[in-house]
Amino acid sequence: AQKVTQAQTEISVVEKEDVTLDCVYETRDTTYYLFWYKQPPSGELVFLIRRNSFDEQNEISGRYSWNFQKSTSSFNFTITASQVVDSAVYFCALSWGSGSARQLTFGSGTQLTVLP
Amino acid sequence: KAGVTQTPRYLIKTRGQQVTLSCSPISGHRSVSWYQQTPGQGLQFLFEYFSETQRNKGNFPGRFSGRQFSNSRSEMNVSTLELGDSALYLCASSSGQGDTGELFFGEGSRLTVL
Repeated sequence: AQKVTQAQTEISVVEKEDVTLDCVYETRDTTYYLFWYKQPPSGELVFLIRRNSFDEQNEISGRYSWNFQKSTSSFNFTITASQVVDSAVYFCALSWGSGSARQLTFGSGTQLTVLP
Repeated sequence: KAGVTQTPRYLIKTRGQQVTLSCSPISGHRSVSWYQQTPGQGLQFLFEYFSETQRNKGNFPGRFSGRQFSNSRSEMNVSTLELGDSALYLCASSSGQGDTGELFFGEGSRLTVL
């Protein structure tokens, strides 16, 4: 079975601090994709980053970076120099399935509050 | 290009009624997925349609159904509404072919059942 765990329910930081959101996943698929989505109060889930199971290279994109480690089944997400506008619920998700018939399993989300 | 559009954005129903929600995917996208989001259960997969055929289905009762039209627009229907069906229903689209599973979401339809 596929499972995504986000142990952090809520995190509060002060603006300009760095913050890391944790994600641990379980899957038996050998090919899978991992995502981070952001959900602002408007409700729409906004895609942030994607990583496939064959590429463990960690990258930085602007203020976002991620640490993917297959050995520990973790896909952590870091926001550098946080801003008030980063306040939202962040979801880690696992895409699994065969061929084109994929679906997402989401974690329970982490509410991030960035205080001015 | 235009994003995923869901209508209505908000609606209130009473127990026993039925409801139909609509979703227009991004132009060119042929796959539409539906997710239910509740405070207790989080985001749960309902079903996915591709080229007017249901390709995947989550673990929801038969009261939840959907369909997709030839223009890729999709509707989902919930019959005999229960209080527990109160939720944000999110629609997402993708190309549906050989993609990574990345989905583009609408803003959702917030259903309240009284």
